[in-house]
Amino acid sequence: NAGVTQTPKFRILKIGQSMTLQCTQDMNHNYMYWYRQDPGMGLKLIYYSVGAGITDKGEVPNGYNVSRSTTEDFPLRLELAAPSQTSVYFCASSYAFAGEYGEKLFFGSGTQLSVL
Amino acid sequence: KNEVEQSPQNLTAQEGEFITINCSYSVGISALHWLQQHPGGGIVSLFMLSSGKKKHGRLIATINIQEKHSSLHITASHPRDSAVYICAAEEYGNKLVFGAGTILRVKS
Repeated sequence: NAGVTQTPKFRILKIGQSMTLQCTQDMNHNYMYWYRQDPGMGLKLIYYSVGAGITDKGEVPNGYNVSRSTTEDFPLRLELAAPSQTSVYFCASSYAFAGEYGEKLFFGSGTQLSVL
Repeated sequence: KNEVEQSPQNLTAQEGEFITINCSYSVGISALHWLQQHPGGGIVSLFMLSSGKKKHGRLIATINIQEKHSSLHITASHPRDSAVYICAAEEYGNKLVFGAGTILRVKS
């Protein structure tokens, strides 16, 4: 199993450019999430989805859009990049029920995005 | 004030030492997660617990619901344990609130 695959790993954007961060999971998870991680801060939820066709805003959705046309894919779109969106982005997916040690969340490897 | 507070922010230990990382939360929760973020950035889920204690190898996680406090212990620490350890409180409805993380460095 590949788990959660996130691309690209690194990207530099100019102010006003747009891009899509891709996220795919092969575990048939219903729940998927996009987080951003800023230095010294906890992960913040941008958007989440509880199943194909269903998305909802998290704590910091402004400047982002998502779609969930399939169970596997949950892309994150930045329409007009701003310096405030410089961050590390993580996609995650989860079971509805936890594993033996309570493991439930599975993360992608992250995308380091700089907007200059 | 963050709803989830971790302490210490930074921790340096000698190989073999017993390590404790603390997490306090102010919200009502259905579960508490412990995660490990490797130096390369990848995040791995270690535990999710809603009561008592869980053990996996040299890692032990405990939670006291009444005191709204959880601890992650590492026994016989090793340099490969060096990472950022993150706790996250799962509010009802699957919403997670993350702590800022504890940076652990284990020296040989």
